[in-house]
Amino acid sequence: DTGVSQDPRHKITKRGQNVTFRCDPISEHNRLYWYRQTLGQGPEFLTYFQNEAQLEKSRLLSDRFSAERPKGSFSTLEIQRTEQGDSAMYLCASSRLGGYQETQYFGPGTRLLVL
Amino acid sequence: AQTVTQSQPEMSVQEAETVTLSCTYDTSESDYYLFWYKQPPSRQMILVIRQEAYKQQNATENRFSVNFQKAAKSFSLKISDSQLGDAAMYFCAYRSAGANSKLTFGKGITLSVRP
Repeated sequence: DTGVSQDPRHKITKRGQNVTFRCDPISEHNRLYWYRQTLGQGPEFLTYFQNEAQLEKSRLLSDRFSAERPKGSFSTLEIQRTEQGDSAMYLCASSRLGGYQETQYFGPGTRLLVL
Repeated sequence: AQTVTQSQPEMSVQEAETVTLSCTYDTSESDYYLFWYKQPPSRQMILVIRQEAYKQQNATENRFSVNFQKAAKSFSLKISDSQLGDAAMYFCAYRSAGANSKLTFGKGITLSVRP
């Protein structure tokens, strides 16, 4: 396994701009998760996919956020009309559905700063 | 909803000594999983150890072991023979045994190791 990768690693944008992040999971992992981590806090769940289906979205995920996972491979997370409160680390994780042995492997994250 | 509480924001340990990190959680479920994740500075989160709630035996992984007290809803991590590379943020996390396998994290604890 090559690990979960995320791109870009850092993003600085101005308030009101749109940004898109990409996550490439470990190959053959059918579950993919997005979390958000603000300074001094633990990651908070945003949404997850099983294959290409988005199965749950957190209430944290406002209408400005959208996530996709076409063909059940990589995933994108888009934030429209960014606000300063969106500044955070966005983490992606993937796992292979497999009962109690299921382990989520995390990527390095994308750090977003909204000016 | 499940909650995870890590009340100690920071801890310090002398190299080669033993340290225990505390975690409590709240849930009405009887079947679930608990995890400790490590997040080194500017590096990605990795799984340290996992505990299944239905198992009475405490999990161990080399120098890492847990003290799982189901009735008290307590899940502490013991690190023996601490090494400089153990310095990191440590997060306690909860996962339901149900269909949605999202992780609920605590706020984390920063562990420093003194040489």
